[in-house]
Amino acid sequence: AQTVTQSQPEMSVQEAETVTLSCTYDTSESDYYLFWYKQPPSRQMILVIRQEAYKQQNATENRFSVNFQKAAKSFSLKISDSQLGDAAMYFCAYRSPYNNNDMRFGAGTRLTVKP
Amino acid sequence: DSGVTQTPKHLITATGQRVTLRCSPRSGDLSVYWYQQSLDQGLQFLIQYYNGEERAKGNILERFSAQQFPDLHSELNLSSLELGDSALYFCASSVDPAAKNIQYFGAGTRLSVL
Repeated sequence: AQTVTQSQPEMSVQEAETVTLSCTYDTSESDYYLFWYKQPPSRQMILVIRQEAYKQQNATENRFSVNFQKAAKSFSLKISDSQLGDAAMYFCAYRSPYNNNDMRFGAGTRLTVKP
Repeated sequence: DSGVTQTPKHLITATGQRVTLRCSPRSGDLSVYWYQQSLDQGLQFLIQYYNGEERAKGNILERFSAQQFPDLHSELNLSSLELGDSALYFCASSVDPAAKNIQYFGAGTRLSVL
């Protein structure tokens, strides 16, 4: 079964600086989808970015970008120009198109943004 | 606002009781997913429905059941509640079950079992 590992329980960044959150996953599948979700104090799960495994180009959404290394099974999230509103729990997720489209989440990384 | 509505926001009940959580998916979405988020186990997939039919089961206890109605709203029923069932329960929806589709999450129902 696929597992998703976020090795950083907590991270902090200075406002306007850049931070990278790590995510690795274990799979034998060649096609899959990866997601980063943000969970602010409001508890709402908000999609940040999505990556399709068959696309080599790294996904980008404004200040958020990923470094997708398929061979290394790594999917890190880079937040540029960090803002106070970026403070949240960030979850990495893996979704398989083969196993009932099951989505697996990592344990999360709590990001603190310092003013 | 994701467009997914969950009610109630908070639920406090006692051990042994039964509760029902409700979810209305985004307009046009046919798939509904239920997840449990507890402090020690992260976000766990419980069950998935597509257009009224159960499609996939995850780590759902036998005491829990769900259904999706013809109007596509879904209910998660939790019975014989135990202290360990205290958690945040999320509903998510997508246009269909394909893995490529984004799942949009509701704000969750926080269940406290005392």
